[in-house]
Amino acid sequence: DQQVKQNSPSLSVQEGRISILNCDYTNSMFDYFLWYKKYPAEGPTFLISISSIKDKNEDGRFTVFLNKSAKHLSLHIVPSQPGDSAVYFCAASGDNTGKLIFGQGTTLQVKP
Amino acid sequence: DTEVTQTPKHLVMGMTNKKSLKCEQHMGHRAMYWYKQKAKKPPELMFVYSYEKLSINESVPSRFSPECPNSSLLNLHLHALQPEDSALYLCASSQEVGQPDEQYFGPGTRLTVT
Repeated sequence: DQQVKQNSPSLSVQEGRISILNCDYTNSMFDYFLWYKKYPAEGPTFLISISSIKDKNEDGRFTVFLNKSAKHLSLHIVPSQPGDSAVYFCAASGDNTGKLIFGQGTTLQVKP
Repeated sequence: DTEVTQTPKHLVMGMTNKKSLKCEQHMGHRAMYWYKQKAKKPPELMFVYSYEKLSINESVPSRFSPECPNSSLLNLHLHALQPEDSALYLCASSQEVGQPDEQYFGPGTRLTVT
């Protein structure tokens, strides 16, 4: 039973345009959400997070939106750059154990 | 400094070998984690240590044995592994278990069991 889902395995975007990566979750107890970026043969790099008391968090080119009623979050990258090409994982937590539940990942390709 | 270091970067071991993976962080974090990641899959949690005590074991086989010698170090001892245990092993740390906080990951150890 996948509690965190990223339904798009891949996304291709032109450089300079907006990239929108989506994530859905099923567990209403989740109260903290994170996005990680991963290059091949490297560990995930933390990008941005959002608490369930907010609906938006922004950090430079990266913005995360949370829609609690729809159990949906999205990561917007604007403008997209070729160096953003990587696998993006969303993750969720909510039981105070430190356990993160990851989605399956979306491979983003930004074309020059 | 948000660095988590892991050694070795690559490891090849036979099914009868004993080896250890090492992880270190100097951010003063009191929670440390081991994850396993297979190709094209998300990281899967194996163990959580909170204040140097094991707080979560995700039903991991006993051929994997974690150890937390002090607040900065985390080891994963490997013995009698199977070829299906080949994966990227990731260590992570965070401020504390029990409060919303990002986990910082190391680069991982690529393990191949022959």
